[in-house]
Amino acid sequence: AQSVTQPDIHITVSEGASLELRCNYSYGATPYLFWYVQSPGQGLQLLLKYFSGDTLVQGIKGFEAEFKRSQSSFNLRKPSVHWSDAAEYFCAVGAGDYKLSFGAGTTVTVRA
Amino acid sequence: NAGVTQTPKFRVLKTGQSMTLLCAQDMNHEYMYWYRQDPGMGLRLIHYSVGEGTTAKGEVPDGYNVSRLKKQNFLLGLESAAPSQTSVYFCASSLVAGNQPQHFGDGTRLSIL
Repeated sequence: AQSVTQPDIHITVSEGASLELRCNYSYGATPYLFWYVQSPGQGLQLLLKYFSGDTLVQGIKGFEAEFKRSQSSFNLRKPSVHWSDAAEYFCAVGAGDYKLSFGAGTTVTVRA
Repeated sequence: NAGVTQTPKFRVLKTGQSMTLLCAQDMNHEYMYWYRQDPGMGLRLIHYSVGEGTTAKGEVPDGYNVSRLKKQNFLLGLESAAPSQTSVYFCASSLVAGNQPQHFGDGTRLSIL
């Protein structure tokens, strides 16, 4: 069975600074990987996804993520954060069946 | 452009009461899911459905029942609510499982006293 670890529970970043959120997965084959964002009181919104091909994927809101098979990682990055990026971010892995496994989430706080 | 709609958005129940959460999607998706979200635990799958008339158990199905009588609707029932079921419940849908992203509703915040 697949699983996901997000090592950072909470990250604080200054507005305009870069952001990187870590995600490590456990799965024997090539997984389907997703990053979702959840604003307070809202549902989860898809930021980006990786299925195959180019290991650097671009998403919405200026986010990108890089799939590194050797490190079993799928880290999310943004070069310059905006106050509106304050939210909770979830990494998820799918294995081609019904199950999508989510990490525990990373809360991002943006300070002025 | 509704996507996935959950009703109600908030509810407070007393222990032992029953209720049904409704999820409706207008994207003609085959797969639908019910998750619960608890602090520090991410989302855990309660039940899912691969099509009209089908349901199956997820990771944490105990204390919940579901029905999918129509393709666009997926109902989650609590027959006898317990304080441990206090949580935020999310419904999601997708075209197929695994390699397609799931689309989420805004959640139902449920408190059991």
